Amino acid sequence: EIVLTQSPATLSLSPGDTATLSCRASQSVDNYLAWFQQKPGQAPRLLMYDASIRAPGIPARFSGSGSGTDFTLTISSLAPEDFAIYYCVHRRDWPPLTFGPGARVEMK
Amino acid sequence: EVQLVESGGGLVQPGGSLRLSCTASGFALSDHEMNWVRQAPGKGLEWVSYISKSGGDIYYADSVKGRFTISRDNLKNSLFLQMNNLRADDTALYYCARVMNYLDNSASYYPDSWGRGTLVTVSS
Repeated sequence: EIVLTQSPATLSLSPGDTATLSCRASQSVDNYLAWFQQKPGQAPRLLMYDASIRAPGIPARFSGSGSGTDFTLTISSLAPEDFAIYYCVHRRDWPPLTFGPGARVEMK
Repeated sequence: EVQLVESGGGLVQPGGSLRLSCTASGFALSDHEMNWVRQAPGKGLEWVSYISKSGGDIYYADSVKGRFTISRDNLKNSLFLQMNNLRADDTALYYCARVMNYLDNSASYYPDSWGRGTLVTVSS
């Protein structure tokens, strides 16, 4: 099973900053990687799929990049509502769907 | 508006059973593969099970294989998860999640719409 690790585990930033979140796979997942956002008490929301495609309705300040084993989610000019936990997930060896451990973006 | 509403969670003793339901509205369930995903309290996300549009293809996480059974009733726009022989480590919020279709209507396997979840607590 291909394992995902996310770094940093916690990112402390201010509104208006740029957040850069990393997701690394133990083996290549090609571009079969997605990103989710989860706020307290809410269900996860799909942000990006196939590494770099924004899901419908996701603001342009969210962008994804990478392929193979190294991926990045960038949030430009953090809005107050962006402080949340972010999960990467891959489907390279489907099934299963494998989630990373999550990374928290918190307000400094 | 796409909506998924889970129900059927609750407190159950170890070894007991529960049947979760998920009712879909705002889209035709028959047009989408579906997943169950769970989240233990304060923990991350764990994929549990998948069912294809017709129900002909079904997959489970190793942690639930042989104990959980996924099913669907497209005419009633409903998804189910029968959970038997429950263990303490099955305690979690269980989400019903729709699989996103690509533009060519093939399945992406990524969940694009989620319910609010139903809480399952396994404890004596």
